[in-house]
Amino acid sequence: ETGVTQSPTHLIKTRGQQVTLRCSSQSGHNTVSWYQQALGQGPQFIFQYYREEENGRGNFPPRFSGLQFPNYSSELNVNALELDDSALYLCASSPTVAASTDTQYFGPGTRLTVL
Amino acid sequence: GDSVTQMEGPVTLSEEAFLTINCTYTATGYPSLFWYVQYPGEGLQLLLKATKADDKGSNKGFEATYRKETTSFHLEKGSVQVSDSAVYFCALSPPRSQGGKLIFGQGTELSVKP
Repeated sequence: ETGVTQSPTHLIKTRGQQVTLRCSSQSGHNTVSWYQQALGQGPQFIFQYYREEENGRGNFPPRFSGLQFPNYSSELNVNALELDDSALYLCASSPTVAASTDTQYFGPGTRLTVL
Repeated sequence: GDSVTQMEGPVTLSEEAFLTINCTYTATGYPSLFWYVQYPGEGLQLLLKATKADDKGSNKGFEATYRKETTSFHLEKGSVQVSDSAVYFCALSPPRSQGGKLIFGQGTELSVKP
């Protein structure tokens, strides 16, 4: 069984640029959530996708957007990058649209540095 | 709003010492509670969970009991090993939350010395 994978591993961008991060969910999982983890902090929920539609969003501005594809893989797009966007971006998948009791399975993350 | 508070780290212990990492939460109703562990350079792995009051989650010698009366979910292990060195995150998932989002504490770094 393949776990959650993310690409790229590391990324360096400059302020004002746009970035796309990618995630492949664990086999059999149709729900994907994205989290931002700043250095020394706990992850913060960005949004979740289920059946290609956004299904919940945290306190992040509209320049954070996402997509989910028919194979349940997902992208996180961030426009107009700011220095504070530097963080580890984590993708998590779950077997179905997550109930509060469900376990979410995390990928290794993409480390984004904005200069 | 819902939140999780963990004891601050770093926590440094000798091998075979007893471990407690405190976690308290604020939430409406009965959330599900989780402990995740993050090893250096890796993503988060589920360590254990409890989904209702008085449940005890356990895994790899770690335990935590869901205490509704004290709104706590403290992590314990009787004898830590060097390989337990990592950052530990307590998290909750609000009941009937939209999308089952997780709310994390700030993390507690554990360092175990031989």
